[in-house]
Amino acid sequence: DTGVSQDPRHKITKRGQNVTFRCDPISEHNRLYWYRQTLGQGPEFLTYFQNEAQLEKSRLLSDRFSAERPKGSFSTLEIQRTEQGDSAMYLCASSFPGQGGYEQYFGPGTRLTVT
Amino acid sequence: QKEVEQNSGPLSVPEGAIASLNCTYSDRGSQSFFWYRQYSGKSPELIMSIYSNGDKEDGRFTAQLNKASQYVSLLIRDSQPSDSATYLCAVRSSERFGAGTRLTVKP
Repeated sequence: DTGVSQDPRHKITKRGQNVTFRCDPISEHNRLYWYRQTLGQGPEFLTYFQNEAQLEKSRLLSDRFSAERPKGSFSTLEIQRTEQGDSAMYLCASSFPGQGGYEQYFGPGTRLTVT
Repeated sequence: QKEVEQNSGPLSVPEGAIASLNCTYSDRGSQSFFWYRQYSGKSPELIMSIYSNGDKEDGRFTAQLNKASQYVSLLIRDSQPSDSATYLCAVRSSERFGAGTRLTVKP
């Protein structure tokens, strides 16, 4: 399977703990995106990379969130000192330049529950 | 004003009817527009992309773009119960998604 993969698929953590999620994009895709989605809402943009460079980060993203893509392949998203409001589905997507734009392909997501 | 707005829904249509989903956006510089389908508990799946004014057809789906009016729509012809899902509009100048419109197709 050459689709986007995410690990873990589910994570339950206690408030105040740190968590890290991993995303492996489709191999030839140079862009990688992180989104957060809560029930009844569309995906909320967090950040994106082109190769290893982080090109944009949402101003809504607190300092507790950090993302890396060290070799331009897989990426990690870390949330420090988790809060109950961080409970959501965290989606990763990857894309490549196509005709007119970047079509994104999503992974299955990581569902985070903060207790 | 939200950057990407979709008709709030939920939208219910009978099987075989045309479902019409609408989206407006605020950034006039936007160049790329996408429609995604998201089944409950699943991640979004790309179904259509459109970059130029006018219509683009793919099977039962037609995307329509009017940049002057900052409006993009998705028509689903001959709607099937399997089309029941949330449809997300995305604008790719700023990686923004609308909140989605839930569509139910009743047999």
